[in-house]
Amino acid sequence: GNSVTQMEGPVTLSEEAFLTINCTYTATGYPSLFWYVQYPGEGLQLLLKATKADDKGSNKGFEATYRKETTSFHLEKGSVQVSDSAVYFCALSPNAGKSTFGDGTTLTVKP
Amino acid sequence: DTGVSQNPRHKITKRGQNVTFRCDPISEHNRLYWYRQTLGQGPEFLTYFQNEAQLEKSRLLSDRFSAERPKGSFSTLEIQRTEQGDSAMYLCASSGGGGSTDTQYFGPGTRLTVL
Repeated sequence: GNSVTQMEGPVTLSEEAFLTINCTYTATGYPSLFWYVQYPGEGLQLLLKATKADDKGSNKGFEATYRKETTSFHLEKGSVQVSDSAVYFCALSPNAGKSTFGDGTTLTVKP
Repeated sequence: DTGVSQNPRHKITKRGQNVTFRCDPISEHNRLYWYRQTLGQGPEFLTYFQNEAQLEKSRLLSDRFSAERPKGSFSTLEIQRTEQGDSAMYLCASSGGGGSTDTQYFGPGTRLTVL
């Protein structure tokens, strides 16, 4: 079956540091890949997505590239802010079916 | 459009009681999904509908769980004879419509506590 593995957290960074959260997946076919963010006390929000190999999703300074050869979709941001503190989930979804999520990575950014 | 809404936001119940949650999807979305999320874990798939048809149900889902989407709009998730292990956040998502069909938009969730 499908699965998603995220780097374990928590991750603590200073403001303006570079962020990478690793995500690898196992899936049949060519699923769409997603990053969701969950701020404290709030629901899951879509951060970015990519639907095919070599696509780059981007939003709010975050980026992730769909790498079919390494089955990865790592999340990056060049300069994090305190407001980026949240839990980040990597997910895959094949053809509008159910999504499979990683266990989430908690990011804390300190001023 | 106000997004996906869920009611109630919080539910506290005693073991053995039945509970029902409601989800109202984004109006033009034809797919609706239910997930369960426990602390420190990612959402776990429960079931999903396309219009009023229930297309898939997790094998992990107990027979005590049932979901309906009678008119292809809102959905209900019922848990019968609740157990303490059912305590979790229950998330609803919807997708479809005129735009990207594979992006799921989530509601705020219903937090269930079984005493």
